[in-house]
Amino acid sequence: QKEVEQNSGPLSVPEGAIASLNCTYSDRGSQSFFWYRQYSGKSPELIMSIYSNGDKEDGRFTAQLNKASQYVSLLIRDSQPSDSATYLCAVMGNYGQNFVFGPGTRLSVLP
Amino acid sequence: EAQVTQNPRYLITVTGKKLTVTCSQNMNHEYMSWYRQDPGLGLRQIYYSMNVEVTDKGDVPEGYKVSRKEKRNFPLILESPSPNQTSLYFCASSLGRGNEQFFGPGTRLTVL
Repeated sequence: QKEVEQNSGPLSVPEGAIASLNCTYSDRGSQSFFWYRQYSGKSPELIMSIYSNGDKEDGRFTAQLNKASQYVSLLIRDSQPSDSATYLCAVMGNYGQNFVFGPGTRLSVLP
Repeated sequence: EAQVTQNPRYLITVTGKKLTVTCSQNMNHEYMSWYRQDPGLGLRQIYYSMNVEVTDKGDVPEGYKVSRKEKRNFPLILESPSPNQTSLYFCASSLGRGNEQFFGPGTRLTVL
């Protein structure tokens, strides 16, 4: 059974700070990694995808992937109250066809 | 507008009464899937489809059926719903299996 783990939070950071969200996965063959944001009662929306080791930056968001450590993270710079949401890590394996989501980390950005 | 649509958005039904939740995408995506989301359990994949007439079980397929007769549609069928299928259901699609998925707005199902 493939597993994806995240700290459930809540993670509280002050406005303007850097929020760091972490995710570990059990399937060493995983190849595709995604971060989604989900507001309460809404559907998940994609923030970032990452496929190769290293960093990928998009605006205030940076995804980091380390396949050797089976670890993927999301950094949010200059956090805003509107970033308050649950962040979901999703992983797809190389041989499997199904996506596995982590339980999500609830982020609260305090004004 | 590129989107994934689901119907109905809300449904209250009784145990054993067959129901279908429709899902449609207008992006010509090959990969489609269904998830259920429950408090404390996160998003769990029910079924997925790689293309027309190709479907496979996800992590929690028991009590559900799907079909993929057309590329754009991927209905979820509950032949005999039970209260433990009360949940928030999401349909999603992507260009291919390794690509980012786009989610529909969700269907909140209550089975009494």
